[in-house]
Amino acid sequence: GQQLNQSPQSMFIQEGEDVSMNCTSSSIFNTWLWYKQEPGEGPVLLIALYKAGELTSNGRLTAQFGITRKDSFLNISASIPSDVGIYFCAGGSGGGADGLTFGKGTHLIIQP
Amino acid sequence: DTGVSQDPRHKITKRGQNVTFRCDPISEHNRLYWYRQTLGQGPEFLTYFQNEAQLEKSRLLSDRFSAERPKGSFSTLEIQRTEQGDSAMYLCASSLETGSSSYEQYFGPGTRLTVT
Repeated sequence: GQQLNQSPQSMFIQEGEDVSMNCTSSSIFNTWLWYKQEPGEGPVLLIALYKAGELTSNGRLTAQFGITRKDSFLNISASIPSDVGIYFCAGGSGGGADGLTFGKGTHLIIQP
Repeated sequence: DTGVSQDPRHKITKRGQNVTFRCDPISEHNRLYWYRQTLGQGPEFLTYFQNEAQLEKSRLLSDRFSAERPKGSFSTLEIQRTEQGDSAMYLCASSLETGSSSYEQYFGPGTRLTVT
């Protein structure tokens, strides 16, 4: 089946630093989404991307849909303590009628 | 709060017992999804409803699992004869079928199942 390779698995950074993580796939997706999950909670949607090459921002977050439709990246600028959590990429196909395919997540840890 | 809600948040059961979870989606959303998440992994798709019709099932959904969405509103997921391997977080998500944004799935807080 489809698999998403998400990297890095974990990141230890200082408050104020910029963060970059990415996701690659062996298959094409129509949509890329980025979610954040905190312990004991469900994933929260951060950004959705719909077109190859699209660059979208949401506050300090910026994400891009790769031109090949097989990859995406997420950047977080000027990290703050509340950015701590696990970030998941997810790919969608089938007009939204199929489930999303998720990566294994990037665990972000911020040292004050 | 008009987000997705799930009940119970935690369930501990003995192996062999049946369990049922409930999901209430965002009220205007016609699509509902169930996922399973184990430690260190991303959510894995189990099944999908459009209104009351169950249109897609993953191979992960064994015969012991059944899901319903009787009136196209809330949904239930039942696991019969639970096994220790069923221990996981069960997540529900909903979306609205409106072109490209149909992919935007909003998740509930999940039900943490522990089978002893």
